[in-house]
Amino acid sequence: SQQGEEDPQALSIQEGENATMNCSYKTSINNLQWYRQNSGRGLVHLILIRSNEREKHSGRLRVTLDTSKKSSSLLITASRAADTASYFCATPGSGGSNYKLTFGKGTLLTVNP
Amino acid sequence: NAGVMQNPRHLVRRRGQEARLRCSPMKGHSHVYWYRQLPEEGLKFMVYLQKENIIDESGMPKERFSAEFPKEGPSILRIQQVVRGDSAAYFCASSPERAAETQYFGPGTRLLVL
Repeated sequence: SQQGEEDPQALSIQEGENATMNCSYKTSINNLQWYRQNSGRGLVHLILIRSNEREKHSGRLRVTLDTSKKSSSLLITASRAADTASYFCATPGSGGSNYKLTFGKGTLLTVNP
Repeated sequence: NAGVMQNPRHLVRRRGQEARLRCSPMKGHSHVYWYRQLPEEGLKFMVYLQKENIIDESGMPKERFSAEFPKEGPSILRIQQVVRGDSAAYFCASSPERAAETQYFGPGTRLLVL
C-alpha cells in the first residue's frame, strides 16, 4: 500500500454534522498536509501540521497528528454543503526529496443540505 | 496576485497525436512541479523543474514524456504519440523555493485521448 492512505473512501453526512477523515502513512515525516479538491478542480491547501505538533486548528478544521501511530485525522465541524469535495493528505519525501509530495486516494465527502 | 495558471483546461487528442500542457507559476515562484491524477486516484509526482533545469524527473515515464521550464515563458509538459492510458488530469504546482513546505496548485489540464 502507498504512503498516505485516507479512510473512509467516501463519507456522506448531513449539513451541520461533523466529518472526520483519517490518514495513515508509512515512513517518518517532517510534516503532513491536507488538501481539498472540488469536483473537476485543482487542489486547495488546507492546513499543514509539523511532526512536533499534535494538534492544529484553522477555522472549522482541526487536524491531529500521531507520529507513534503514523496517522493523522482531519475534522470538519458544523459541515456545510460547500464542504462537499475530496480530501487528500500528502506527505513530503525524505531527505533531499522533500518537494516530492505523495498523496493518498482521498476521501470523498458529501454534505447533504 | 494571480495563482498558478494552466492551459488548456481541457484537451482532447486522438491516439498518436501530441499533447502540450502549459503552466505559468505564481509570480515570484521559480520552482515548478508536475503531477498526474488518474481517475479515482491521488496525485502522483512526475517532475520537478527550476528555470532551465530539470531537477528530478523520476516520476515521469521514460518514453514519450518530456518537460521543460525555459528562461522565459511557461513550463511545458509534452506528451508525444498519446495513448488512451495517458488520459488523466495533469496538475502543475509552484513554490518560491525548493524547501518550501507548501506547493500551490493550478486548476489542472484534463487530457482525454480518444
